[in-house]
Amino acid sequence: QAVVTQEPSLTVSPGGTVTLTCGSSTGAVTSGHYPYWFQQKPGQAPTTLIYDTSNKHSWTPARFSGSLLGGKAALTLSGAQPEDEADYYCLLSYSGDREVFGGGTKLTVL
Amino acid sequence: EVQLVESGGDLVQPGGSLRLSCAASGFTFSGCWMNWVRQAPGKGLEWVANIKQDGSEKYYVDSVRGRFSISRDNAENSLYFQMNSLRVEDTAVYYCMGCSRWGQGTLVTVSS
Repeated sequence: QAVVTQEPSLTVSPGGTVTLTCGSSTGAVTSGHYPYWFQQKPGQAPTTLIYDTSNKHSWTPARFSGSLLGGKAALTLSGAQPEDEADYYCLLSYSGDREVFGGGTKLTVL
Repeated sequence: EVQLVESGGDLVQPGGSLRLSCAASGFTFSGCWMNWVRQAPGKGLEWVANIKQDGSEKYYVDSVRGRFSISRDNAENSLYFQMNSLRVEDTAVYYCMGCSRWGQGTLVTVSS
């Protein structure tokens, strides 16, 4: 089974910009992996921020964006707010419609 | 209002069974692949199973294949998860997720 890798932790200053990445043990991440990004705050269920690489939902703050970068999926936060402190997970889809989550990135806004 | 509401979580002994349910409302349930995702205490998210819109395709993570079964009833806007031969390592909060919507989760504890 494929392994999906994320940075275990990152720190960003309030108002700053940070990029979280999501890599695959099978090779480059492409749009065909339909990357998703989720945010989870302590004690809460996850929420979906980005689907299919770069698409936002109506509830996704404009400061979040998704892309492919250097063979990985990427989530960029521009203008970090204190409420963005959370765990972030990516999800990739593999053939046979099996899905694999990354281990998550704990983002600190400090 | 879009809602996914899970139920059925409980404390069960190893080797036991549970059936989880997820009731959907506020969106076109029949148009969504639906998933079960779990999160062990203090751990990350783990995808466990999914089912196609019409129920014709089902996929499982290796660790539960043959023990767990996903199903759905589009007429009732409901998703189900039959969990048999439960193990201590199946202890987790189980979430249903589809079309980017998440439920609040239901806790399954497997312990003697």
